[in-house]
Amino acid sequence: GNSVTQMEGPVTLSEEAFLTINCTYTATGYPSLFWYVQYPGEGLQLLLKATKADDKGSNKGFEATYRKETTSFHLEKGSVQVSDSAVYFCALSRTGTASKLTFGTGTRLQVTL
Amino acid sequence: SQTIHQWPATLVQPVGSPLSLECTVEGTSNPNLYWYRQAAGRGLQLLFYSVGIGQISSEVPQNLSASRPQDRQFILSSKKLLLSDSGFYLCAWSVTGGADTQYFGPGTRLTVL
Repeated sequence: GNSVTQMEGPVTLSEEAFLTINCTYTATGYPSLFWYVQYPGEGLQLLLKATKADDKGSNKGFEATYRKETTSFHLEKGSVQVSDSAVYFCALSRTGTASKLTFGTGTRLQVTL
Repeated sequence: SQTIHQWPATLVQPVGSPLSLECTVEGTSNPNLYWYRQAAGRGLQLLFYSVGIGQISSEVPQNLSASRPQDRQFILSSKKLLLSDSGFYLCAWSVTGGADTQYFGPGTRLTVL
């Protein structure tokens, strides 16, 4: 079946550090891939997505590239801010009658001054 | 623009009591609707999804049920809550017909004592 594996957290970084959160997936066919972000006490917000191999999703300085050869969708940001502290979820979509998202377990990012 | 509402925001209920959580979407018609549960420190688990009024699909067997009495209304219910039902419940919607991005509500935090 489909699955998503994320690096375990928490990840603690100083402000302006480089961020990488690893995500790999197992899926049949060609899923779409997503990163969602959850700020404390809130629901999930779509951060970025990619729908086919070699696509790069980007938003708010975050980027992730759909790598079919390595089945990966790693999240990166060149310079994190304290306001980026949140939980980040990698997910894939099984499109059919209704799209169903399979989520990773989430990675908590803590950015300090 | 589309908005999604959930209520209540927080709920504390005794074991064995009934449950009703409501989700409504504005600004779109015939959306696909989803209920997820996020247990403490864990990822998201899809509980139910619906592609139309009265059409409910269950992803996992459990103590909960879902209903869709109106096009943009999705209700999560239980007749008798268990301690294990505690968690953060998220409603989401997506466009019908293959588009795979899901948009999440603010969530309901349920504590069963």
